Amino acid sequence: DAMVIQNPRYQVTQFGKPVTLSCSQTLNHNVMYWYQQKSSQAPKLLFHYYDKDFNNEADTPDNFQSRRPNTSFCFLDIRSPGLGDAAMYLCATSRDQLGIDEQFFGPGTRLTVL
Amino acid sequence: AQSVTQLGSHVSVSEGALVLLRCNYSSSVPPYLFWYVQYPNQGLQLLLKYTTGATLVKGINGFEAEFKKSETSFHLTKPSAHMSDAAEYFCAVSAGGYNKLIFGAGTRLAVHP
Repeated sequence: DAMVIQNPRYQVTQFGKPVTLSCSQTLNHNVMYWYQQKSSQAPKLLFHYYDKDFNNEADTPDNFQSRRPNTSFCFLDIRSPGLGDAAMYLCATSRDQLGIDEQFFGPGTRLTVL
Repeated sequence: AQSVTQLGSHVSVSEGALVLLRCNYSSSVPPYLFWYVQYPNQGLQLLLKYTTGATLVKGINGFEAEFKKSETSFHLTKPSAHMSDAAEYFCAVSAGGYNKLIFGAGTRLAVHP
């Protein structure tokens, strides 16, 4: 089945230690998104790629970066995680970036910062 | 600017009872509206969406929603709740030219026997 895969499902890191979260997709979609979802809150878009074009949300901290080496993979890098970065990180894809396009979500990676 | 308000952060119903989850939106352009469901420690799954055309939209698992422009609402309903419906439900509006989803704060649905 075509799907969005996130690894690992659970990640524990130490305060200030860089961490990378991974997302891959078999849907061959053009757009990939990263959302941050803190406990009992709505998902918040951090950035997205349309093909190789990177689009950063204005309020996304500089501590968060992303890479998309090819169509299938996208990475979220947190350079110096703080306690406030503990959250669920959701990857999503869509075929195109039209407003009607459904976004398909992965199961998420829950990040704990010690 | 687009925004979404979900009335009621927690809703509790009995199994077999009507489910009604409320969503109001604000949009300066004709909106595209979505309902997503999230089970514990899982990603989001699309229940249904409204783009254009018929204002009553049917989705998966017996859910449906009606787009009411005059009320700026997109409430989610299901005639008969099942225990497996217990989850978090998010209403969202599509904003901007790049399919950015603006989510409401979510409603946690509990279903009791």
